[in-house]
Amino acid sequence: DGGITQSPKYLFRKEGQNVTLSCEQNLNHDAMYWYRQDPGQGLRLIYYSQIVNDFQKGDIAEGYSVSREKKESFPLTVTSAQKNPTAFYLCASSIGSGGGNQPQHFGDGTRLSIL
Amino acid sequence: AQSVTQLGSHVSVSEGALVLLRCNYSSSVPPYLFWYVQYPNQGLQLLLKYTTGATLVKGINGFEAEFKKSETSFHLTKPSAHMSDAAEYFCAVSAPRGYSTLTFGKGTMLLVSP
Repeated sequence: DGGITQSPKYLFRKEGQNVTLSCEQNLNHDAMYWYRQDPGQGLRLIYYSQIVNDFQKGDIAEGYSVSREKKESFPLTVTSAQKNPTAFYLCASSIGSGGGNQPQHFGDGTRLSIL
Repeated sequence: AQSVTQLGSHVSVSEGALVLLRCNYSSSVPPYLFWYVQYPNQGLQLLLKYTTGATLVKGINGFEAEFKKSETSFHLTKPSAHMSDAAEYFCAVSAPRGYSTLTFGKGTMLLVSP
């Protein structure tokens, strides 16, 4: 079955530590996205990528970094500069590199907590 | 810039009752509109979308939504609630031209009582 795989499901970070969240898709989608979800806040866009080797900042990119070296992979690094990283992180993908009418397909998320 | 407002962070209904979840958008041109559902500790699943054409859109699990341009609304309804409908629902909007990301509302938690 095609889909999006996020790992790990739960992740713990120590103060001052960088952590990387994995996102892999086998849907052959060009566009990929990272969202942060906090209770009562909905989903907020961190970074997105329309094509390999290119990505753009979303609304809350500070303290995060991404790479897009392969079409199927879009890892997110939460750096020590992100002072409040505890949240549920969702990765998504969509067909094509343009066109807002394409729905996004989501992974099952990674829950990050601070030790 | 576009935005989405979902009225009511929580909505409670009895099993068998009508479900109505409200969504209003703000956009300079009629946007594309989506409803997603999220079960606990899972990702979002698309319920339905409006892009062009018929303004009454039918989705999965018996849900439907109507795009009303004059009211800038895209409310989600279901005639009869099931216990399995208990989840969080998100309305989202994207611009109709060029590349556009999704802007999400803050979500409405649907509680269904027996």
